[in-house]
Amino acid sequence: GAGVSQTPSNKVTEKGKYVELRCDPISGHTALYWYRQSLGQGPEFLIYFQGTGAADDSGLPNDRFFAVRPEGSVSTLKIQRTERGDSAVYLCASSSTGIQYNEQFFGPGTRLTVL
Amino acid sequence: TQLLEQSPQFLSIQEGENLTVYCNSSSVFSSLQWYRQEPGEGPVLLVTVVTGGEVKKLKRLTFQFGDARKDSSLHITAAQPGDTGLYLCAGVTQGGSEKLVFGKGTKLTVNP
Repeated sequence: GAGVSQTPSNKVTEKGKYVELRCDPISGHTALYWYRQSLGQGPEFLIYFQGTGAADDSGLPNDRFFAVRPEGSVSTLKIQRTERGDSAVYLCASSSTGIQYNEQFFGPGTRLTVL
Repeated sequence: TQLLEQSPQFLSIQEGENLTVYCNSSSVFSSLQWYRQEPGEGPVLLVTVVTGGEVKKLKRLTFQFGDARKDSSLHITAAQPGDTGLYLCAGVTQGGSEKLVFGKGTKLTVNP
């Protein structure tokens, strides 16, 4: 079956611009996660959805970052007034309550470059 | 603050050698997972360990969860060039949300 997909695969933008990153989870997965991975680092948690609601948004670095999941499937991560420090790979993962021990399945990521 | 410390950060070995990667923390985890990530791709789950002292084997890979559920190790026997990649440990903190806390990873290169 289809895995987690993310679009675009690469995004280059200028400092100060607004960007949207999209995640399509595995069909039927109720939980969706966003992580950010900087060069040479492990993924860092940003936000977690259970259904349509954000169950934990403690990892969002500031109010320029916002994410939605209006129908409980596709999610969009939105970054306003981008800064060079936002450059990273943004990973999305999904999981199902039917899967033991919160095993998460990751997409290939969106590489964001802010010039 | 990095809750999970992985060591070594980089490892370059010859084909056929054995290696061990360590993942340590002062926090207790309800479960701990090991992922492998290749360039341009997302992490792929290798194994989940849940019980203190648990040992799981996946072909030439052996995973161990510490008795206190604070640390884990990954041992690879007779490494092959196809094992090259970034190995990440990630834990679900006890009593926390379902988010994964990742280590920085160990970049393994196996030379033919």
